[in-house]
Amino acid sequence: KNEVEQSPQNLTAQEGEFITINCSYSVGISALHWLQQHPGGGIVSLFMLSSGKKKHGRLIATINIQEKHSSLHITASHPRDSAVYICAVPGSNTGNQFYFGTGTSLTVIP
Amino acid sequence: NAGVTQTPKFRILKIGQSMTLQCTQDMNHNYMYWYRQDPGMGLKLIYYSVGAGITDKGEVPNGYNVSRSTTEDFPLRLELAAPSQTSVYFCASIARGGSNSPLHFGNGTRLTVT
Repeated sequence: KNEVEQSPQNLTAQEGEFITINCSYSVGISALHWLQQHPGGGIVSLFMLSSGKKKHGRLIATINIQEKHSSLHITASHPRDSAVYICAVPGSNTGNQFYFGTGTSLTVIP
Repeated sequence: NAGVTQTPKFRILKIGQSMTLQCTQDMNHNYMYWYRQDPGMGLKLIYYSVGAGITDKGEVPNGYNVSRSTTEDFPLRLELAAPSQTSVYFCASIARGGSNSPLHFGNGTRLTVT
């Protein structure tokens, strides 16, 4: 069993659509990270959250600690949002290691 | 701040050759990590360090070595390159474990072993 499960694995959307990517985890955590990786590119941190909701531009991340679930929403999606989105959680309270989801590959079609 | 800097960006090695992937960060982060990412797969932890002079194995350490002589630098050494080590390697850092601060990644090193 993976400690972090993401869904869907692949997602294709039309430009302008509202997108939701889900992340469920089985370990106790202090914070959850959402990461973005463009094709052939580096990995960028989008959000780090431990409760509630955070918003950066068209991106919104929410987390429910009790249900061990987080969602990443993209409003008014754009082709430049096409990327792999990865959620990650620390493996313990010390966070010596992280557990990563396998990623959601998003393609936004113009 | 430059963040996490990895060099080189690309490298082709012949089987049996050795090389060092460099990683440096200027954020005074204690925790540093080396991951490999195979095509279509998630990140796998090779080695990590919780501070200068301290290193520990991750999920896939065989064929690799690391050192952490300073807070800033965390080089990854491949001694006898094998085709199975063809991958993209990412270095990452965070202020401290479990901290409420972002995880910073380098831009990656794309390594091919032929």
